[in-house]
Amino acid sequence: DAGITQSPRHKVTETGTPVTLRCHQTENHRYMYWYRQDPGHGLRLIHYSYGVKDTDKGEVSDGYSVSRSKTEDFLLTLESATSSQTSVYFCAISGTGGQEGDEQFFGPGTRLTVL
Amino acid sequence: GDSVTQMEGPVTLSEEAFLTINCTYTATGYPSLFWYVQYPGEGLQLLLKATKADDKGSNKGFEATYRKETTSFHLEKGSVQVSDSAVYFCALSKMGNTGKLIFGQGTTLQVKP
Repeated sequence: DAGITQSPRHKVTETGTPVTLRCHQTENHRYMYWYRQDPGHGLRLIHYSYGVKDTDKGEVSDGYSVSRSKTEDFLLTLESATSSQTSVYFCAISGTGGQEGDEQFFGPGTRLTVL
Repeated sequence: GDSVTQMEGPVTLSEEAFLTINCTYTATGYPSLFWYVQYPGEGLQLLLKATKADDKGSNKGFEATYRKETTSFHLEKGSVQVSDSAVYFCALSKMGNTGKLIFGQGTTLQVKP
C-alpha cells in the first residue's frame, strides 16, 4: 500500500470555524490532490499540487485554500467552514502526474461535518 | 467539458451472477480510462485501466474494454462474490493535464449470498 495518511480522520466543527486537513505521504511523489466525495457527484477535485509551493485550482476550489511547503505534506484549509463543505475529503498522490495511464493512490479519507 | 457518466445504482445481485456496470465518457482527445473501487470505510484503489482504444483492462476477474466508437468503458465480471460489494467509480484523465481525474458519480454494488 502507498504510504498516505490523512489527519484527522473525523472532525465535527461549527459554521465559521477555520479547519485544516493534513495529507502526509512517504512515497516522495511529486503530485498531490485533494478531492471531495459527495453522494451523486462522485469525487471532485478541489486543488492539486505539482511540486513544493506549486499549486493550482480544481473544479470546486471556492472556499478552500492549500499549501505545500514540503514534498510530503499537503494541507487543505477551509478558512470559514460552511455546512455545504460537509463531505468526505480524500487526498491522492501520483508519481508522474499526467503521464498516460498514471495511477493515483488515495488516502483513507477525512469525514468532516460542519454544523 | 470532459465528463463521465455511470449507470445509477444501487445494483443488487446474487452471488455468482454476471455483473455489468455501464460507463460512458465525453472528452476531447484521447483520455486514459480507469475503474476505481471503494470498499466500505476505505479510500479508493485502482481496479483496472486502459490507455488507448480497444485496450482491455483486467484485474481480479473484472474486465473493461476501451471503446472509442461508443465512448464507453463498461465494467464486467462473470461471477460476483459477496466480497465484491463496494462502490465502483469510472474515471478519465488526459495526458499532460497533471493527472487530474474526472470521476463518474459512482455505482454501489451489493452482492447477496
